[in-house]
Amino acid sequence: QVQLQESGPGLVKPSETLSLTCSVPGGSVIGYHWSWIRQPPGKGLKWLGDIFYTGSTKYEPTLKSRVTISVDLSENQVFLRLGSVTALDTARYFCARGPAHVVVAPAVPHYESWGQGILVTVSS
Amino acid sequence: SSELTQPPSVSVSPGQTARIACSGDALTKQYAFWYQQKPGQAPLLLIYRDIERPSGLPDRFSGSSSGTTATLAIGAVQAEDEADYYCQSADSGGSGFVVFGGGTKLIVL
Repeated sequence: QVQLQESGPGLVKPSETLSLTCSVPGGSVIGYHWSWIRQPPGKGLKWLGDIFYTGSTKYEPTLKSRVTISVDLSENQVFLRLGSVTALDTARYFCARGPAHVVVAPAVPHYESWGQGILVTVSS
Repeated sequence: SSELTQPPSVSVSPGQTARIACSGDALTKQYAFWYQQKPGQAPLLLIYRDIERPSGLPDRFSGSSSGTTATLAIGAVQAEDEADYYCQSADSGGSGFVVFGGGTKLIVL
């Protein structure tokens, strides 16, 4: 199974931008859907958005104005940027890989491979 | 609130079958997917496209779907099955947004 590794700062100040990277050592981002999913401490999973390797994106509606997901094919990395963070954005952030084919709405991808996640705390 | 509804907890004795339901309008037209998450770990895909199992997963785990309800069944429950279980599907509006249920804590008595 492919290994996914999230990285980035574990502490972000309120109103600043959270930036995370998902690396795929030994693998490739080409051909797949990639998503970011977060989980506040003690709570459930929330999908933030998805990118197909071609660059086509889809974002969770309530976060759309603050979220950007991008991909670097040459570096085999997927990026998350979440702007204007507040304490409510404190969560473990997971990178997950979707299917190796384009998924067209209303269908959605599912996730066979996940990173271990990175805990990001928003605090001054 | 989630578009997919799960019971907060399900309790079962070892050796019995646990059933976890997931309800939502989107399930009449879209597939359900199921994940297991143990403390401190990433979710693990258990079921995709309502009934399919990833290779290597024990056949104690099975899925079904009818109408607005999808169900995950875990046969011959073991202590190691105690975990949180999440269903996933699409938004009911047909926009292709991923939605997760609120999660169900399986308690092995």
